[in-house]
Parts: sequence; C-alpha cells; structure tokens
Amino acid sequence: EPEVTQTPSHQVTQMGQEVILRCVPISNHLYFYWYRQILGQKVEFLVSFYNNEISEKSEIFDDQFSVERPDGSNFTLKIRSTKLEDSAMYFCASSEGPRGGNQPQHFGDGTRLSIL
Amino acid sequence: GDSVTQMEGPVTLSEEAFLTINCTYTATGYPSLFWYVQYPGEGLQLLLKATKADDKGSNKGFEATYRKETTSFHLEKGSVQVSDSAVYFCALSGPHSGGDKLIFGTGTRLQVFP
Repeated sequence: EPEVTQTPSHQVTQMGQEVILRCVPISNHLYFYWYRQILGQKVEFLVSFYNNEISEKSEIFDDQFSVERPDGSNFTLKIRSTKLEDSAMYFCASSEGPRGGNQPQHFGDGTRLSIL
Repeated sequence: GDSVTQMEGPVTLSEEAFLTINCTYTATGYPSLFWYVQYPGEGLQLLLKATKADDKGSNKGFEATYRKETTSFHLEKGSVQVSDSAVYFCALSGPHSGGDKLIFGTGTRLQVFP
C-alpha cells in the first residue's frame, strides 16, 4: 500500500538555526498538510497546501514557517530560526481531495525535532 | 470553534475485555468523524471514519457510530488484544472547521495486558 514518507526520523538542531523537514506524499494525492504534536499534547494543524499555494494555516504557522513543493514529489516544511518551543513531532499528511470524509488524510511516521 | 473531547487515559484492560473510548464533538454543520491510531514509535493511521449521521465506521473489530443527537463518536471493540495497545485519537474535519484540516482530541492511551 502506498505511504507517506518523512525524513529524517529525528532531527537535532541548535536554537536559532534553520531546519527543513521533508516529506514525500502519496503520488496521486493533491492535498498536503503539516501537523505537529508537542510531547504529551494533542496533534495540531499547521498548514494545508494545494495547487502550489497555502490554502489554510493556523496561528502557529507564523513568519518563521514556510512550505514548498520544490519538485513533483517532495513537500517541505522550513523553520527559519528555530526556538526551543518548536521541539515536537512533525507529521506530514496527504489526501486525494478535500473534505476528508471521502478522501481521508494519510500520515507519515513523523520527524521528531529536538531544539537544543 | 470546532473541537473534540476524548476521555482521559490511560485505559487499562485485560485481553479479551470490552473497550469503549468516549469521544464527543462540537461543530457547526455536519463534520466527518475519524478515529486514528498511533502505535508506539509510529505515525497516525486511519482506523475508521464516518461521514454522516448514523453511519457506522468499522475496521479490525473496532466500531464507531456517528450520533448527531448526542454529538458523539465512541470507539468500541468487543474483545481487545495486547496488540491493540496504542494511543487512539478522535478527530473531525469540515465543513465549518475551516477547510479540510483535521481537529484532533487529546488522545487516549490504551494498555492491554495478557
């Protein structure tokens, strides 16, 4: 069964450094998402992306964050200047279409980001 | 705004016991409802879904029924196994939660002992 893949599985970065988290969505999917889960807390929506532009973003997704689909397969999340509170598990998801009821989102295994 | 409330965990059961994990939601309109499962060290996997009132989602022996009158989507399984030990997340999406993003509950950890 096709799956969403994320790299790296664990990223350790110094505070203030830039980090790029990478995702390869399922190949025929058109809608892409990033979520994060701070340790022990709920999974939170960050951003959705369709047709090469952001379709929705949360309050968490401030100017330090950006997303990009640089080629036909990768979907990246960049944090420009990391803060300690960015430490979390970041999940990428993709779906065939919106209104997830009939086209549910499929998640990757996540990247654990640790900021020192 | 829209939200999901789940029962606090952990839920600790013996193998073959009956499982219920409660989930209620607050939403404008008619959202789609989901249960996702997260096994240790892994990502979120879709377990089951329901898109309209009275729909029953089922998978791997788990069931949940979309109850509009009680705004609930409780997860049940008749006989749990040790391999069901995981964190279970209830979630909703659309149409008024703001596009198609998923809104998750806090998760409920299930521990099953032999």
